[in-house]
Amino acid sequence: DVKVTQSSRYLVKRTGEKVFLECVQDMDHENMFWYRQDPGLGLRLIYFSYDVKMKEKGDIPEGYSVSREKKERFSLILESASTNQTSMYLCASWGALRGEQFFGPGTRLTVL
Amino acid sequence: GENVEQHPSTLSVQEGDSAVIKCTYSDSASNYFPWYKQELGKRPQLIIDIRSNVGEKKDQRIAVTLNKTAKHFSLHITETQPEDSAVYFCAASTGNEKLTFGTGTRLTIIP
Repeated sequence: DVKVTQSSRYLVKRTGEKVFLECVQDMDHENMFWYRQDPGLGLRLIYFSYDVKMKEKGDIPEGYSVSREKKERFSLILESASTNQTSMYLCASWGALRGEQFFGPGTRLTVL
Repeated sequence: GENVEQHPSTLSVQEGDSAVIKCTYSDSASNYFPWYKQELGKRPQLIIDIRSNVGEKKDQRIAVTLNKTAKHFSLHITETQPEDSAVYFCAASTGNEKLTFGTGTRLTIIP
């Protein structure tokens, strides 16, 4: 079974801190995604990657960056966290074999 | 880019009745339309999907219909049960694996 894991379920950070959210998948999937989920706004794509060291901006990339040094790992970086980045962050991976996105459990980030 | 609108935002139905959630999309090049279910505190999971070469697809109590001309697609759940209570998201893709999601529908099944 596909497994997508995220480094933390809950995270509390201070304004201005650098924040790293990590995602790991174990199915050798090519594509990986980072979303943020907010009530009433659904799932909005921040960044995605279709290969190691490749990245593409999603719909709301401002204030975020990403890193994909290994195929199984995709990191989301908040260079200087702000209160409006308080949200649920979901990672997903996609494989051509089954053609669906598999989501991680999510990280609820609170920025104080 | 693609824009997906989803309605209603909340829906309550009596157990055993049917529920319908509707989505519209803007990009006529979109050709893949999945539906995800997210139970409280859990991750979204794919429940059914449809591609643009098909008008309807059914899986037990769940069905999805697609009208390419009108650019809308719908999720139908029949004989609803308490475990159907969740948030449902529609999405659209032009086939490059990048999904654009709707804003979600919170479905509550009333026993």
